[in-house]
Amino acid sequence: QKEVEQNSGPLSVPEGAIASLNCTYSDRGSQSFFWYRQYSGKSPELIMSIYSNGDKEDGRFTAQLNKASQYVSLLIRDSQPSDSATYLCAVSPADKIIFGKGTRLHILP
Amino acid sequence: DAGITQSPRHKVTETGTPVTLRCHQTENHRYMYWYRQDPGHGLRLIHYSYGVKDTDKGEVSDGYSVSRSKTEDFLLTLESATSSQTSVYFCASSWAEKVDLVANEKLFFGSGTQLSVL
Repeated sequence: QKEVEQNSGPLSVPEGAIASLNCTYSDRGSQSFFWYRQYSGKSPELIMSIYSNGDKEDGRFTAQLNKASQYVSLLIRDSQPSDSATYLCAVSPADKIIFGKGTRLHILP
Repeated sequence: DAGITQSPRHKVTETGTPVTLRCHQTENHRYMYWYRQDPGHGLRLIHYSYGVKDTDKGEVSDGYSVSRSKTEDFLLTLESATSSQTSVYFCASSWAEKVDLVANEKLFFGSGTQLSVL
């Protein structure tokens, strides 16, 4: 079992709707959780980090963490065509940072 | 953005030859990482370093070695390249320090190296 699991998609969401991306992880000792966005042919860039249970909001993005369920999610409100990208969930058990396979998100105009 | 550069940006090599990829950062970051990215596999950790001369294996370390003799440089070596090592390789670095009880672990990525092993 891979340490970080994501649905590879593609996830198609109409423009203006809410996109919901999910991630589960296996290491209960993980303390830090991240969402990175990667456009085709580019390097990943950090969009959200979360360290404690609950919700964390930043603009149109909300990260949600549930350590008991080993579950992390990312909500994107008012989805825009520029949000079309691959979203990578990352988890930090100890010193290393492990990524999921990523979910391709396609915003339909 | 953090100054992190990878070289070369593109490389074509033959099976069985050794290959070294270089990552250079100017931010005095403590942690450095090498990942490979392949379709359907996302980013997979090869090796990482938590200080000069301190390295550890990641998820897919077989066939790869690393060295970190200076804070700013992290080298990835394919000892005898195989076609299965054809991939895009990303280097990343981070502070990974605790700030007010929260780890500041944002990864800064290089632009990637496209490696083709024929």
